[in-house]
Amino acid sequence: GQQLNQSPQSMFIQEGEDVSMNCTSSSIFNTWLWYKQDPGEGPVLLIALYKAGELTSNGRLTAQFGITRKDSFLNISASIPSDVGIYFCAGHNFRNEKLTFGTGTRLTIIP
Amino acid sequence: SAVISQKPSRDICQRGTSLTIQCQVDSQVTMMFWYRQQPGQSLTLIATANQGSEATYESGFVIDKFPISRPNLTFSTLTVSNMSPEDSSIYLCSVGGAGYTFGSGTRLTVV
Repeated sequence: GQQLNQSPQSMFIQEGEDVSMNCTSSSIFNTWLWYKQDPGEGPVLLIALYKAGELTSNGRLTAQFGITRKDSFLNISASIPSDVGIYFCAGHNFRNEKLTFGTGTRLTIIP
Repeated sequence: SAVISQKPSRDICQRGTSLTIQCQVDSQVTMMFWYRQQPGQSLTLIATANQGSEATYESGFVIDKFPISRPNLTFSTLTVSNMSPEDSSIYLCSVGGAGYTFGSGTRLTVV
């Protein structure tokens, strides 16, 4: 099935640094979502974006829904150890309610 | 958002056997989704389960291998049939709507 192009694939940063990751698609989506997955757990929704151009924040997280509706980015400011995990973007299509997931970004914090 | 209970959380199974995974939601939902996450990979949709109708399978997934039941608006099961080591994955259920919530997953190892 289709997967969204997500980059970078992995990131190694120091605590306190800012993080940026993005997701692109060849298709238009009605909604963009960002999830975090910890080991042994299911993905947990971080931010949902419903309108092209929308910029939304959730604490230290900020995400934007691209104007073309084919891309989105997620920024994490002042990273902390609990930010470690795998981040997935997902595009949602109203027509069939399906989610299409990105390939994931693995975030590691170097002590 | 909905709360999903999924079980078992993990299992180790012999090849050739079948495993049924259960997903219970704390509210009534129209659509439930089953995903597979192979080791180190992103999530891939297996099928969409609507109450009162046959599940709709994605390309590459067939009912004989992954039969799904949806007896009411709060419950669904996914069976992984005639298992082989290639079926070793995390299987997750999800519900749509505003919450886009996932269960914690079933980690299946086939030996």
